[in-house]
Amino acid sequence: NAGVTQTPKFQVLKTGQSMTLQCAQDMNHEYMSWYRQDPGMGLRLIHYSVGAGITDQGEVPNGYNVSRSTTEDFPLRLLSAAPSQTSVYFCASSYYRGWTEAFFGQGTRLTVV
Amino acid sequence: GESVGLHLPTLSVQEGDNSIINCAYSNSASDYFIWYKQESGKGPQFIIDIRSNMDKRQGQRVTVLLNKTVKHLSLQIAATQPGDSAVYFCAAKNNNDMRFGAGTRLTVKP
Repeated sequence: NAGVTQTPKFQVLKTGQSMTLQCAQDMNHEYMSWYRQDPGMGLRLIHYSVGAGITDQGEVPNGYNVSRSTTEDFPLRLLSAAPSQTSVYFCASSYYRGWTEAFFGQGTRLTVV
Repeated sequence: GESVGLHLPTLSVQEGDNSIINCAYSNSASDYFIWYKQESGKGPQFIIDIRSNMDKRQGQRVTVLLNKTVKHLSLQIAATQPGDSAVYFCAAKNNNDMRFGAGTRLTVKP
């Protein structure tokens, strides 16, 4: 089973560049989310979606956009990369009704120089 | 604002001993809690969960205790093994908002 697949695994961007982090899941989960993980801090929720066509902001949404055109895919867009966005990004998915565990991807390590 | 925190950033135990990792949460409306394990370079992996209508749940070698009065939960690992060495996170959910603690790094000494 593929589970949650994130691409790329590593990325270096220059300040001001834009890019899209890809996330796909094959478990037919309604809920998908993006987190960033910084040293010494817990995972922080950026954006989430409870189903196709529905997205909402999490704790740290500024500088990021998301869309959910299908159940399977939930891309995260960095509009104009800044050094403060250097982080490890994780995508997760889970069932929504009757909340259960979230399955995480392997992460994308992003460096903005 | 809401927060989830672990009491100790690091914990070192002897192989075969029991480990206890603690976590506190701030939002009394949190209704679902999860413990995750994260090994270096990997995404978090589910260990065990508990809903707010329970105070204890057991899995294989792991037990989660929930004390809603003091907003505290703990993860107990029995007979800790070298393969248990990792960072452990707790998470607390309120509506669609899942908040994570910073993690406790567990080191198992042979």
